[in-house]
Amino acid sequence: KAGVTQTPRYLIKTRGQQVTLSCSPISGHRSVSWYQQTPGQGLQFLFEYFSETQRNKGNFPGRFSGRQFSNSRSEMNVSTLELGDSALYLCASRTGQGHNEQFFGPGTRLTVL
Amino acid sequence: AQSVAQPEDQVNVAEGNPLTVKCTYSVSGNPYLFWYVQYPNRGLQFLLKYITGDNLVKGSYGFEAEFNKSQTSFHLKKPSALVSDSALYFCAVRVMNSGNTPLVFGKGTRLSVIA
Repeated sequence: KAGVTQTPRYLIKTRGQQVTLSCSPISGHRSVSWYQQTPGQGLQFLFEYFSETQRNKGNFPGRFSGRQFSNSRSEMNVSTLELGDSALYLCASRTGQGHNEQFFGPGTRLTVL
Repeated sequence: AQSVAQPEDQVNVAEGNPLTVKCTYSVSGNPYLFWYVQYPNRGLQFLLKYITGDNLVKGSYGFEAEFNKSQTSFHLKKPSALVSDSALYFCAVRVMNSGNTPLVFGKGTRLSVIA
């Protein structure tokens, strides 16, 4: 099976712009979660989607949003970018049931100038 | 609320020596515990998990972890470290309540294995 893929791998944006990141989960996985990773804060949970519905949400401002499509692919959007949004954004998928582990993509490195 | 603590930001160990990466957790209810490893410029890779049953869990690449309920710990161990084990290690916990709750990660421990 192909792993979790994320596009693009690298992005450079300027303050005030918006960005959309994409994640394709492992085939058959219906849950997609997004995390922000920074050196100071570690891994912070953004949100989880399951069968096109947001199932969980972390403590991030409304500038961060996401969605999931019927094929389980997911996108996250960050509007009005701030310097502090520079981070590695990780997507993870799992079947969505039980206590099974998540499988992570390689991440999208976002730099905000 | 659930939380995970990895008390050491950095662990250094000589190649061939045993290694331990520490993790303690705090949850209301039964914990489900995970270890992940991250190599440079890569996403996280699953190593092992504890759900129920035997307190000693064996995982990928020769790693194992011991669940200790009384000490609320889930330390990662390996009998003989390799230079290639050098990476960032994350402990994570989930509590299963009425629905699926997200994984909560520790801040990570950087392991350096010195030849």
